[in-house]
Amino acid sequence: DTAVSQTPKYLVTQMGNDKSIKCEQNLGHDTMYWYKQDSKKFLKIMFSYNNKELIINETVPNRFSPKSPDKAHLNLHINSLELGDSAVYFCASRISLGASEYNEQFFGPGTRLTVL
Amino acid sequence: AQKITQTQPGMFVQEKEAVTLDCTYDTSDPSYGLFWYKQPSSGEMIFLIYQGSYDQQNATEGRYSLNFQKARKSANLVISASQLGDSAMYFCAMREALNTGNQFYFGTGTSLTVIP
Repeated sequence: DTAVSQTPKYLVTQMGNDKSIKCEQNLGHDTMYWYKQDSKKFLKIMFSYNNKELIINETVPNRFSPKSPDKAHLNLHINSLELGDSAVYFCASRISLGASEYNEQFFGPGTRLTVL
Repeated sequence: AQKITQTQPGMFVQEKEAVTLDCTYDTSDPSYGLFWYKQPSSGEMIFLIYQGSYDQQNATEGRYSLNFQKARKSANLVISASQLGDSAMYFCAMREALNTGNQFYFGTGTSLTVIP
């Protein structure tokens, strides 16, 4: 009954490869996010999707592309992986309806990406 | 300016003692929410406590309480009766009601170590 799930949990790959990380939430939330957490534990927001529309795209290289086939899924596709992409990637979701500033984000378990 | 500032990179506390983790924020939005998350060494992000900008009383959740000082724009987390399992990274975050991008702003985190 995992609320927000991510696959895979660990991903080790070579520079230049293309990879995807999947995220699914079963909470009925309408907004999903991708965060990158670097080795210093700093959390950087990458994308936010609300009702299948991209809302935020912070200064993220266009090698990263979010794909949302439906409200319950937000996958992250990364092209031409670089060493600096090594990090933990978190998916999160929340409900944005109503008093939206009051609703917390629920995080997935994270995907540790290592680029060799 | 940073939206969320956590000035304590690392903190130590004796088991069973109370500890305060600092968080200051910057916003001109009259309506906002403040959140604290815990990230243990296992990596998951766990929601702890929420404080709304219009809440008259400080939020409490078990051993966690939030010392909300609106005029000072601070939202410090107080953990009472510290336990060894409280050793973790703690992140303060803010969401502004007028932020149409649904964005959460996170601080850089405080690493708490509970000493037996």
